[in-house]
Amino acid sequence: AQSVTQLDSQVPVFEEAPVELRCNYSSSVSVYLFWYVQYPNQGLQLLLKYLSGSTLVKGINGFEAEFNKSQTSFHLRKPSVHISDTAEYFCAVSESRNTDKLIFGTGTRLQVFP
Amino acid sequence: DAGVTQSPTHLIKTRGQQVTLRCSPKSGHDTVSWYQQALGQGPQFIFQYYEEEERQRGNFPDRFSGHQFPNYSSELNVNALLLGDSALYLCASNHKGDRALTGELFFGEGSRLTVL
Repeated sequence: AQSVTQLDSQVPVFEEAPVELRCNYSSSVSVYLFWYVQYPNQGLQLLLKYLSGSTLVKGINGFEAEFNKSQTSFHLRKPSVHISDTAEYFCAVSESRNTDKLIFGTGTRLQVFP
Repeated sequence: DAGVTQSPTHLIKTRGQQVTLRCSPKSGHDTVSWYQQALGQGPQFIFQYYEEEERQRGNFPDRFSGHQFPNYSSELNVNALLLGDSALYLCASNHKGDRALTGELFFGEGSRLTVL
């Protein structure tokens, strides 16, 4: 069965510092990987996705992630964070492009301090 | 262009009652999915509706049921509410044809259910 592990429940960081949010997945078949962001009192918004091709994926708001099949990881990075990046970040996996059934991790709370 | 809209935004029920949550998909979308997000957890897939039929279901009991209407809007019904049903219920939509290309779900802001 698929599963997603987000190793850090909270990540505090100062503004303009780099950040990495970790995500590991477990799956025996091909995977499609996603990062979603949830701002306070809002729904989830797609940051970026890996479906196929280049393992380095660029998303919105300056975020990027790298798919590493050997380490079964899909870590999210940003070289310089802003206060407005404060939010909950969820990593998710699915076994098919044609399904709406995403398996989400428990989330990482990114707190950016001035 | 309206995104995914959900109603009500908040509601309080007592154990044993029944609740109906509503969702209108983003314009142009024909597929609706429902997720349950308990406090401090990631969203969990409940089920997906397409062409007015339930197409895929997660690990939720039969107390959770749904419906999709000809205009693609959807309802989530939960019977015999338990304290553990307290959560944020999220609706997500997409266009079936686009799903294979983009892999993206569009989420609403959710309906927060509190069961006392």
